[in-house]
This record gives sequence, C-alpha cells and structure tokens, in this order.
Amino acid sequence: AQKITQTQPGMFVQEKEAVTLDCTYDTSDQSYGLFWYKQPSSGEMIFLIYQGSYDEQNATEGRYSLNFQKARKSANLVISASQLGDSAMYFCAMRERDSNYQLIWGAGTKLIIKP
Amino acid sequence: DGGITQSPKYLFRKEGQNVTLSCEQNLNHDAMYWYRQDPGQGLRLIYYSQIVNDFQKGDIAEGYSVSREKKESFPLTVTSAQKNPTAFYLCASTLRGDNEQFFGPGTRLTVL
Repeated sequence: AQKITQTQPGMFVQEKEAVTLDCTYDTSDQSYGLFWYKQPSSGEMIFLIYQGSYDEQNATEGRYSLNFQKARKSANLVISASQLGDSAMYFCAMRERDSNYQLIWGAGTKLIIKP
Repeated sequence: DGGITQSPKYLFRKEGQNVTLSCEQNLNHDAMYWYRQDPGQGLRLIYYSQIVNDFQKGDIAEGYSVSREKKESFPLTVTSAQKNPTAFYLCASTLRGDNEQFFGPGTRLTVL
C-alpha cells in the first residue's frame, strides 16, 4: 500500500490564484513528520514546510501553509497568490518514528502557473 | 557558504563500466543519503549513512555501493550489476535530530 499518495499528477493554475496540492498519508505511528519539497526544472530539491504530528497549529512559511487534518490523514500544501516561479514539481514526504530519519516520498504533482 | 555539492552534473557511461558519483557536504551533518529519481516519479532511497564508517541499504541498493570514510563525503558507485542505471541521482544530508533534509543539485547519469 502507498504510504504517501499525491492524487494530482498535474495542475494548471492562473497566476495570483491560490492553489492546493493534495497529500494523504498512511501510518500507524503516533509520532511522525510531514514535509513538502519543491523541485524546479533544474532538479534540486528545495524544502518548503514541515508539520509534526503533535503540532496543534498548521505550519506556515511565507506564502506556503500546510492544511493538516490528522483524522483524515491529509497534509495538503496551500500556496497563496501563486507566481510564475512556483511552476515546478512538488513532493510530499513523511518521516515515521524510529525510521532512522528516512523519508517516504510521494510521486509528486507537476504545477504549472499560467500568466 | 554551507551546502552540498555533487559532481559531475552530467555523466555518461558505457554499459559494463562502474562509475562513482561524488557527494560532499560542509554542513557538519551526521546523516547522508543517496536517492534515485526516474522521470515523473518520486525519490527512492538507495543507501544512507548515519555516522562515519557505517551505512545501511535503502529500498533499491542492488547494483550500488557506498563508503563513508569521512563525515563530509558519501560517494556512490554505480556498478555494472545495476541493470538500468540511467536516472537522476540526488544526495542529501541532515543533522541528527533535525527535521529537514538538505539536497545537492543532483547528477544525471546516462548509460550509452
């Protein structure tokens, strides 16, 4: 079974609109962490935001926020006021307790911002 | 500036040849990782190392080997036993107990 599921292979969004990228996860651990990374066409992976399973508040980093719904096991990334430079692949990843800091990765969503 | 460097950026190899990908970090991170990424897919873990002189296999270690003789360096050798080595290879590191993994710029390996 997939531990990280990103159901949107690709999305087109108009510039300046908000966009939500979906991520659902599967774990039986009580302690875990969820990450979002951005991968531009150049290839490097850029860390965007982190949410711990015990964090009561949704994480925010500038224009990025994480809509964490623990009961539904979802950790959607919200990008406000999208920009052309946001066009990239976006990956959701999870680290479970006692995982030796290993991350489990989703397949990614390709986001294209239209001018 | 602190960071992770990978070299070379592009690498071409003939079938049957071993090739070594370099990964160096000056972040003083304990843990280092090698991932493979195929087109349109997520990352798959090849090997990881939490301390010097120790490393563990990831999900797809067959056909690969690593060493960790220094804290700063974690080279990956793609051997001739790897049946389909053409891919994008990413190296990452993290400070023990820290949350995020930091990534290098990647090496794109093509087998001719």
